[in-house]
Amino acid sequence: GAGVSQSPSNKVTEKGKDVELRCDPISGHTALYWYRQSLGQGLEFLIYFQGNSAPDKSGLPSDRFSAERTGGSVSTLTIQRTQQEDSAVYLCASSPPKGKGETQYFGPGTRLLVL
Amino acid sequence: AQSVSQHNHHVILSEAASLELGCNYSYGGTVNLFWYVQYPGQHLQLLLKYFSGDPLVKGIKGFEAEFIKSKFSFNLRKPSVQWSDTAEYFCAVRPQAAGNKLTFGGGTRVLVKP
Repeated sequence: GAGVSQSPSNKVTEKGKDVELRCDPISGHTALYWYRQSLGQGLEFLIYFQGNSAPDKSGLPSDRFSAERTGGSVSTLTIQRTQQEDSAVYLCASSPPKGKGETQYFGPGTRLLVL
Repeated sequence: AQSVSQHNHHVILSEAASLELGCNYSYGGTVNLFWYVQYPGQHLQLLLKYFSGDPLVKGIKGFEAEFIKSKFSFNLRKPSVQWSDTAEYFCAVRPQAAGNKLTFGGGTRVLVKP
């Protein structure tokens, strides 16, 4: 079946602009995660959505970062007033409901470059 | 804060050599453990995972890993590597009591020379 998809695959923006990154999880997966992969920082957790529960935002690096998940499916990660240090690959993952494996499946990522 | 350490950042070896990548974590409670692989130009894929039971787990492509609770370790092994195993390997830990987020190690880049 279809895996996790993300768009755009690449995004170049100017410092100070806002960007939106999209994630379509695997159908039927109730949990959705955002991670960031950057040089020198490795893979960092950003935010986690599980069903209708309040999201775990503990990994968001600043209040310029926000995410929402509409209808329990598609998620958008928004970065406002982008900075050069935001340049990274943003990865989305989804996992099945609890008790059904809970392995996270990753999308291909969005490579963000802030000039 | 919990952390995951992968001791080798870069490993270079020849085909047919054996591979062992170290992974240690600092969390003291019950954990789930994972190894992911990222081949050049591809996205992260699950190699294997440990939730409970036999501490020696077998994954895809001939990889296996052993969970040693007393050492807080989950080392990845493959007896005989192939050129196609060239990739970056990530160990990840999910404490059962801390929600579902994964904490990743820094990754190990493996280059297999033909």
